Amino acid sequence: DTGVSQDPRHKITKRGQNVTFRCDPISEHNRLYWYRQTLGQGPEFLTYFQNEAQLEKSRLLSDRFSAERPKGSFSTLEIQRTEQGDSAMYLCASSLAGAGMDYGYTFGSGTRLTVV
Amino acid sequence: AQSVSQHNHHVILSEAASLELGCNYSYGGTVNLFWYVQYPGQHLQLLLKYFSGDPLVKGIKGFEAEFIKSKFSFNLRKPSVQWSDTAEYFCAVANTNAGKSTFGDGTTLTVKP
Repeated sequence: DTGVSQDPRHKITKRGQNVTFRCDPISEHNRLYWYRQTLGQGPEFLTYFQNEAQLEKSRLLSDRFSAERPKGSFSTLEIQRTEQGDSAMYLCASSLAGAGMDYGYTFGSGTRLTVV
Repeated sequence: AQSVSQHNHHVILSEAASLELGCNYSYGGTVNLFWYVQYPGQHLQLLLKYFSGDPLVKGIKGFEAEFIKSKFSFNLRKPSVQWSDTAEYFCAVANTNAGKSTFGDGTTLTVKP
């Protein structure tokens, strides 16, 4: 297993376009998380899945953001009608969790989105 | 809602100096606590974690952290830093019911050779 992989590494898009990112987690992990990080800030929670179920989505997250995890394997994060404020590093992480414990995240390298 | 405060934004030390990075969280229930590290040009990786039991936990590369429940703190320590410890360090907390971790804004550590 090569860890968590994210694709693409970099994405430049024009304002108003839609973008989609992909994350392949560690296969033995049952949870998959999406976070967003901007310069000087810590990772900000977006949403997470346990297996194929999306268990929580940040209340601060615009309806332009949607995530899927079909069959509990890879996940996609789509941003519709991108805005300049969406420019950030989008991080995916996976973990093994259960019985009130999460054993800690394994992060991917992230997708850096620039909206011009 | 849970939150995490890392009061030191940037710490500069000389090699062999001792390190302590502060982390305080706000949540009254049972928590899991983590420190993550991001070396220059690399992705975030888990440094150490606390679930229960001994409040002093040891992680990789000689790091340790102490959970003090009464102070809602989980400070990171290392007795003698090396130049290779230059990185950004993030504290994170997850309440055992919510699932997700909340991260602090990080502390950048620069170790001078």
